Amino acid sequence: AQSVTQPDIHITVSEGASLELRCNYSYGATPYLFWYVQSPGQGLQLLLKYFSGDTLVQGIKGFEAEFKRSQSSFNLRKPSVHWSDAAGYFCAVGAKGGNNDMRFGAGTRLTVKP
Amino acid sequence: DADVTQTPRNRITKTGKRIMLECSQTKGHDRMYWYRQDPGLGLRLIYYSFDVKDINKGEISDGYSVSRQAQAKFSLSLESAIPNQTALYFCATSRGGQNNEQFFGPGTRLTVL
Repeated sequence: AQSVTQPDIHITVSEGASLELRCNYSYGATPYLFWYVQSPGQGLQLLLKYFSGDTLVQGIKGFEAEFKRSQSSFNLRKPSVHWSDAAGYFCAVGAKGGNNDMRFGAGTRLTVKP
Repeated sequence: DADVTQTPRNRITKTGKRIMLECSQTKGHDRMYWYRQDPGLGLRLIYYSFDVKDINKGEISDGYSVSRQAQAKFSLSLESAIPNQTALYFCATSRGGQNNEQFFGPGTRLTVL
């Protein structure tokens, strides 16, 4: 089965600074990859997804992610963080076809300093 | 109105009680899922259903059961709640086929004393 590792449990950045959240996956073929954001007290909202094609994916709220097959990574980036970006971020990997099983990483909590 | 709704949003119960969490969706999706979220563990899949007649166990199904009453409704039951089932529970839906994107409800916070 596929699996996801998010190495950073908690990251603090200053408002206006750049952000990169790491995600590494394990899967035997090309996966579906997702980033979700969870604001306090809320459900998960999809930021972006990769299915195929261009490996640099643009999402909502100014986020982007790059799929790197050689590194089994799908890191999330934002050039300038806003205070409203403080939230939990979850990377997920889904298997193509089959049972639609999706596995989530443990998440990275982002704190934004003023 | 929200596309995926969960009731209740918060519940406190005692060990040994039977609890049902309900999920409804207006997205017209065939597939529905139940996850639990624990600090430091992300989301883990409990059960999923591809249609009304199809129920499948997920990663952590022990101690839980589900019922797919209709395309739009998927309920999760804890037959005899225990304290380590204290968690945040999410329902999600998706279309069939190759598009795996899942849409999440707001969650139910369950506390078992």
